[in-house]
Amino acid sequence: GAVVSQHPSWVICKSGTSVKIECRSLDFQATTMFWYRQFPKQSLMLMATSNEGSKATYEQGVEKDKFLINHASLTLSTLTVTSAHPEDSSFYICSAQTGLERNIQYFGAGTRLSVL
Amino acid sequence: QKEVEQDPGPLSVPEGAIVSLNCTYSNSAFQYFMWYRQYSRKGPELLMYTYSSGNKEDGRFTAQVDKSSKYISLFIRDSQPSDSATYLCAMSAGYNQGGKLIFGQGTELSVKP
Repeated sequence: GAVVSQHPSWVICKSGTSVKIECRSLDFQATTMFWYRQFPKQSLMLMATSNEGSKATYEQGVEKDKFLINHASLTLSTLTVTSAHPEDSSFYICSAQTGLERNIQYFGAGTRLSVL
Repeated sequence: QKEVEQDPGPLSVPEGAIVSLNCTYSNSAFQYFMWYRQYSRKGPELLMYTYSSGNKEDGRFTAQVDKSSKYISLFIRDSQPSDSATYLCAMSAGYNQGGKLIFGQGTELSVKP
């Protein structure tokens, strides 16, 4: 199956700093990538949809200026949490769609963000 | 009312049991149905993918979709302790409709040796 790599798997940062999370499709080109947030014992909450070469589409209630998404190539999307605060601590997961199976999303392993 | 309803469990079964996991949904536009398995602190892993109504089997796993009842199921035969995880149902109206996946809450499964 399609492989999605997410890095880092865990990051701890101080309040007020920015953190960048990378999502790569390793063996396919992903025209569309998605970013999710997941709280403990809860399901995935879609934050934004990212299309290569265009601006991301954010879900209602997600701050565009706080969660910067860049999808500069067909294999890489990045999520930057700017001026992170403790309430941003969460599990962030990316997914990608292949060109052939556009209705399936393959997920990365997730990034655990802890803001002190 | 949520678009997708899934009993969160937890569900505990003995090793070797048949497990039945279910989701109901309200949006008749959903055409694509998936089951993902998520281990603790990991990303979801695609288990089964079904288009429209019908059954699909893959090893110990069987997925069923009944669009008339808006009900989907995942059966796990001969369950193993390694099957212990959270199982998420997900569905979509299709790429041409935006491609968003709508997830159930997830059912936490524990298979006891």
